[in-house]
Amino acid sequence: GENVEQHPSTLSVQEGDSAVIKCTYSDSASNYFPWYKQELGKRPQLIIDIRSNVGEKKDQRIAVTLNKTAKHFSLHITETQPEDSAVYFCAASTDKLIFGTGTRLQVFP
Amino acid sequence: SAVISQKPSRDICQRGTSLTIQCQVDSQVTMMFWYRQQPGQSLTLIATANQGSEATYESGFVIDKFPISRPNLTFSTLTVSNMSPEDSSIYLCSVASGTGAQETQYFGPGTRLLVL
Repeated sequence: GENVEQHPSTLSVQEGDSAVIKCTYSDSASNYFPWYKQELGKRPQLIIDIRSNVGEKKDQRIAVTLNKTAKHFSLHITETQPEDSAVYFCAASTDKLIFGTGTRLQVFP
Repeated sequence: SAVISQKPSRDICQRGTSLTIQCQVDSQVTMMFWYRQQPGQSLTLIATANQGSEATYESGFVIDKFPISRPNLTFSTLTVSNMSPEDSSIYLCSVASGTGAQETQYFGPGTRLLVL
């Protein structure tokens, strides 16, 4: 079955800097790659997603890139703000989401 | 996006007992899923709740321990049976909303379970 690896497990950045989180997946049939943000005590919230027919997608300060050949995808957050601090999860899907292990992002003012 | 509610939001249970968690969606959805999130960990898929048929369980999860019902397209239940402290976790209902290229997956608020 699908296996998703996510790095780094923790990431600390200064406010205004960029943050990059990387994931790799094993099942070449996966065709949908969402990213979720989970604040403490809250449910995971979808922040951006990308499908296999697209190489890059951007939404304001957030962008995701996908390399299907290498089977990896990345989340890029620019101009980070303290409210970006949370745990971020990547996932890969054919018919069900398999999640990465999560990245705890801390943005220091 | 679909509005998802879960009941109870939290519970404290004694070992050996069972708890049934309810998930209600405000619109009909084809796919409903149940996840477990242990403290400080990622989300692990327990099973896909199929309407009108038995749930499809992931490796490591069995029907006797986690029976699931899906009587219609807006409602599902997950029961955690014969609980032990290792079952202490957050249980999340999730639904796939939208169609085709617009389909995305959303999560309910979760049920926090503590087993003593």
